[in-house]
Amino acid sequence: DIQMTQSPSSLSASVGDRVTITCRASQSISAFLNWYQQKPGKAPNLLIYAASSLHSGVPSRFSGSGSGTDFTLTISSLQPEDFATYYCQQSYSTPRTFGQGTKVEIK
Amino acid sequence: QVQLQQWGAGLLKPSETLSLTCVVYGGSFSTYYWSWIRQPPGKGLEWIGEINHSGSSNYNPSLKSRVTISVDASKRHFSLKLTSVTAADTAVYYCASGQVWLDSWGQGTLVTVSS
Repeated sequence: DIQMTQSPSSLSASVGDRVTITCRASQSISAFLNWYQQKPGKAPNLLIYAASSLHSGVPSRFSGSGSGTDFTLTISSLQPEDFATYYCQQSYSTPRTFGQGTKVEIK
Repeated sequence: QVQLQQWGAGLLKPSETLSLTCVVYGGSFSTYYWSWIRQPPGKGLEWIGEINHSGSSNYNPSLKSRVTISVDASKRHFSLKLTSVTAADTAVYYCASGQVWLDSWGQGTLVTVSS
């Protein structure tokens, strides 16, 4: 199985901050990397697919980059509704594994 | 964009079989793969498996011996069965559309396994 490791596991930030979350794969996955946002009690929502493509309806303050083994999710200016847990997921091979999650909390 | 609605029993005893179904509204049923994911309380996401409209499926090896995902394209349904459940299978179970990325999700079903 491909292991996905996110860092940090949690972070505290203020509204307006630039936030960066990193995801590392245990082997190269090309650009088969997706990012999801999950709020408490809700299903995850797709933010970014194929490493850098913004899913329909997702605000442009979210962006993704990377290829191979190292990937980044950036929120350019954190908004109140962005406080949530973020997961990366590889879809290069099965089983399609997720990172452990990064919880973004209010500072 | 498709919408997914799921249902199934929420309380099981150890050794029973978990059974969940997801119905697809909108979109082309034959275009997508259909997936199941679970999330134990307070923990992260685990991919269970996926299936397409013709029944071609992939499973997580960690669950493969106990999991069956099936599809009924005529009813726009797909289903999950997990046999011999234990407390470790307690989780919120989600259905989702997609294979390479999961772009629509069901509302989730909390399945609790307890004697």
